Amino acid sequence: IAGITQAPTSQILAAGRRMTLRCTQDMRHNAMYWYRQDLGLGLRLIHYSNTAGTTGKGEVPDGYSVSRANTDDFPLTLASAVPSQTSVYFCASSPDGANYGYTFGSGTRLTVV
Amino acid sequence: AQSVTQLGSHVSVSEGALVLLRCNYSSSVPPYLFWYVQYPNQGLQLLLKYTTGATLVKGINGFEAEFKKSETSFHLTKPSAHMSDAAEYFCAVSRYNNNDMRFGAGTRLTVKP
Repeated sequence: IAGITQAPTSQILAAGRRMTLRCTQDMRHNAMYWYRQDLGLGLRLIHYSNTAGTTGKGEVPDGYSVSRANTDDFPLTLASAVPSQTSVYFCASSPDGANYGYTFGSGTRLTVV
Repeated sequence: AQSVTQLGSHVSVSEGALVLLRCNYSSSVPPYLFWYVQYPNQGLQLLLKYTTGATLVKGINGFEAEFKKSETSFHLTKPSAHMSDAAEYFCAVSRYNNNDMRFGAGTRLTVKP
């Protein structure tokens, strides 16, 4: 079934540790996105990529980095995790920009202790 | 910049009753508007979207929404609620060729038997 695969499903991480959340899509979508979901705040954009080889900052990029080496993969890295990064992280993709609407992965629940 | 306000963080209806979830947006340019549904422990799924053209948009699972420019609203409705409609619903707005889809805080729909 075509879609987005995120890994891990959940993780408990010690503060100060480095962590990479994985995201892979098989729909050949050009654009990919990382959002975090926090209760009462909805979803907020962390980083995005319009096409392989390019990335951009969203609303809440601090403490996160991304790369887009190819069309399918869009990993999100926390260089040194802090408790405020406890959240549910969603990867999404669209054929060519936000106005097409997104396909979402199932999310990664991250707890930083 | 665009933003989204969802009125009511929690809506409760009886099975068979009308569902009305409210969404107001602000945008300096013609918006693209979306409704997504999120079931427990899952990612978001696109219900419907408005880009241009007809202002009444029909989506999956019997939902529809009407774009009212004069009221800057995009309310989601369903004539008769089903138990399976219980979920969290998110309204979102973007602009053409924009990389930043902004989400509302979400409305949790409960359906009582």
